[in-house]
Amino acid sequence: DTEVTQTPKHLVMGMTNKKSLKCEQHMGHRAMYWYKQKAKKPPELMFVYSYEKLSINESVPSRFSPECPNSSLLNLHLHALQPEDSALYLCASSQDRQRGAEETQYFGPGTRLLVL
Amino acid sequence: AQSVTQLDSQVPVFEEAPVELRCNYSSSVSVYLFWYVQYPNQGLQLLLKYLSGSTLVKGINGFEAEFNKSQTSFHLRKPSVHISDTAEYFCAVSPYFQKLVFGTGTRLLVSP
Repeated sequence: DTEVTQTPKHLVMGMTNKKSLKCEQHMGHRAMYWYKQKAKKPPELMFVYSYEKLSINESVPSRFSPECPNSSLLNLHLHALQPEDSALYLCASSQDRQRGAEETQYFGPGTRLLVL
Repeated sequence: AQSVTQLDSQVPVFEEAPVELRCNYSSSVSVYLFWYVQYPNQGLQLLLKYLSGSTLVKGINGFEAEFNKSQTSFHLRKPSVHISDTAEYFCAVSPYFQKLVFGTGTRLLVSP
């Protein structure tokens, strides 16, 4: 089973709203990722968590706040977003074996976010 | 820096025809290579990957890819496409731990 689930599937929010995106995997993976994908573009990495600790932050604005409550769950808290933040937000996970080993990332279906 | 080039932004093809989607990468070190497919309004699905060993890699849905180190290429092929193969295809390289560098994508358009 290589399933990563994401909720909600669609989200519309105003610039003053606070909302959260949720990602879940039950593959025993210990690394989880957030990507942002604009239309007709490849995904761009935002954050990486390894063993529930933030290991990579690709200089993402603070209006995006990730959280990893446990090894199966990853959240992305959104606050005061801008219309240009509208995009497909993808979650991924991988096994996170020792460095130097191959890490295949498995992606969820994404949350399509529209900021008005 | 590692990079991935997908020269064709769009490839139109008729149903049951063969197709090749091109991918070239730049790297001075050993890398892992991947092809992902993204159907409309969906996430990315892993088609196949090259880690080491045999240079011909077989994936899901009848796709295969060949790793060519001398030409730094990892082209994706399918001998006979279906309408349902219409999607965006991304080539990606993993130059180091937890990092995926994606190409710009190739849209495969299969028509009857």
